[in-house]
Amino acid sequence: GENVEQHPSTLSVQEGDSAVIKCTYSDSASNYFPWYKQELGKGPQLIIDIRSNVGEKKDQRIAVTLNKTAKHFSLHITETQPEDSAVYFCAAISPGSARQLTFGSGTQLTVLP
Amino acid sequence: KAGVTQTPRYLIKTRGQQVTLSCSPISGHRSVSWYQQTPGQGLQFLFEYFSETQRNKGNFPGRFSGRQFSNSRSEMNVSTLELGDSALYLCASSPQGTGGLYEQYFGPGTRLTVT
Repeated sequence: GENVEQHPSTLSVQEGDSAVIKCTYSDSASNYFPWYKQELGKGPQLIIDIRSNVGEKKDQRIAVTLNKTAKHFSLHITETQPEDSAVYFCAAISPGSARQLTFGSGTQLTVLP
Repeated sequence: KAGVTQTPRYLIKTRGQQVTLSCSPISGHRSVSWYQQTPGQGLQFLFEYFSETQRNKGNFPGRFSGRQFSNSRSEMNVSTLELGDSALYLCASSPQGTGGLYEQYFGPGTRLTVT
């Protein structure tokens, strides 16, 4: 089945700096890659996603890039703010009979004021 | 639109008991998935329902089961609870039809503690 690895597990940045979180996946047939933000006591919130036929997608301060050849995708947050502090999860869907959403292990992002 | 709602939010049960958790998806969403979240194993897929039928299932024992009603509301049941079942159980709904697992929106979860 699909395996998703996420790095780093913790990340601290100064307010206003950029943050980058990277994920790799194992199944070359995977075709959908969402990113979720989870704040304490809440469920994961979908913040951006990308399909395998697109190399990059941007939404205001957030962008995701996908390299299908290398089987990795990254989340980029620019001009970070204290409210960006949360745990971020990447995920991938592998098509086929299972079609499970497989998550990375999460990155605790802390934005220091 | 109201988001995904889950009840109850917190639950304490004793080992050996059974528990039923409830999920109401976003209006119009027909696909509902369940996940277990623990510090050690992270987010793990349990199963997905669409039009009252289980379409996908993760690697969990048969003690974990679910169902979906005609109004798309879903319940999951865990029988013969074990200490290791203590976790945050998350429900997610999706507007997709044939795809099902794309664009999933999560509820706040039910925190289950087994003593």
